[in-house]
Amino acid sequence: EIVLTQSPATLSLSPGQRATLSCGASESVSSSYLAWYQQKPGLAPRLLIYDASSRATGIPDRFSGSGSETDFTLTISRLEPEDFAVYYCQQYAISPITFGQGTRLEIK
Amino acid sequence: EEQLVESGGGLVKPGGSLRLSCVASGFTFSSYNMNWVRQAPGKGLEWVSSINSGSAAIYYADSVKGRFTISRDNAKNSLFLQVRSLRGEDTAIYYCARAGRWLVDVFDIWGQGIMVTVSS
Repeated sequence: EIVLTQSPATLSLSPGQRATLSCGASESVSSSYLAWYQQKPGLAPRLLIYDASSRATGIPDRFSGSGSETDFTLTISRLEPEDFAVYYCQQYAISPITFGQGTRLEIK
Repeated sequence: EEQLVESGGGLVKPGGSLRLSCVASGFTFSSYNMNWVRQAPGKGLEWVSSINSGSAAIYYADSVKGRFTISRDNAKNSLFLQVRSLRGEDTAIYYCARAGRWLVDVFDIWGQGIMVTVSS
């Protein structure tokens, strides 16, 4: 199975700053079948980005995804207070579907 | 509004069984592939099982294979997960999730989750 490793585990930033979250894959993720989710406490995950760089419906354009093969990035251009949450990457190129362990984005 | 609502969770003893249900509304359930994803307390997300729209293709994670059974009833807009031989490590919030396009795909709609606690 493809193992996804997210870094950093925790990112401390202030509103207005730029956030860069990384997701590394143990083998190439074909067709860039990689997604990003946001999860807030007590809630279900929400799809942000799919196919590495396409924004899901209703997602603000401050969220962007990039990367290919084994290295992927989620960028939040200017952090809003509601963006502080846990973020997960997911690959769906090969079964079993796997997730990264998450990056916690916290207010500095 | 597209929505998924889970039910059927609870406290169960090791070795016990439960049947989780997920009812869909706001979209044509029979056209979509569906999944179960779980999250142990304080932990990350783990895909559990997938079923295609017509129930012809089914996948399971190795950790649940032989113990869990996914099924669906398109006439009732419902997805199910029969969980048997439960272990402590099965304690988690179980989410049903819609696959956006294909059987192995992103999850674009999620339910609110239902808690399953395995403890004596």
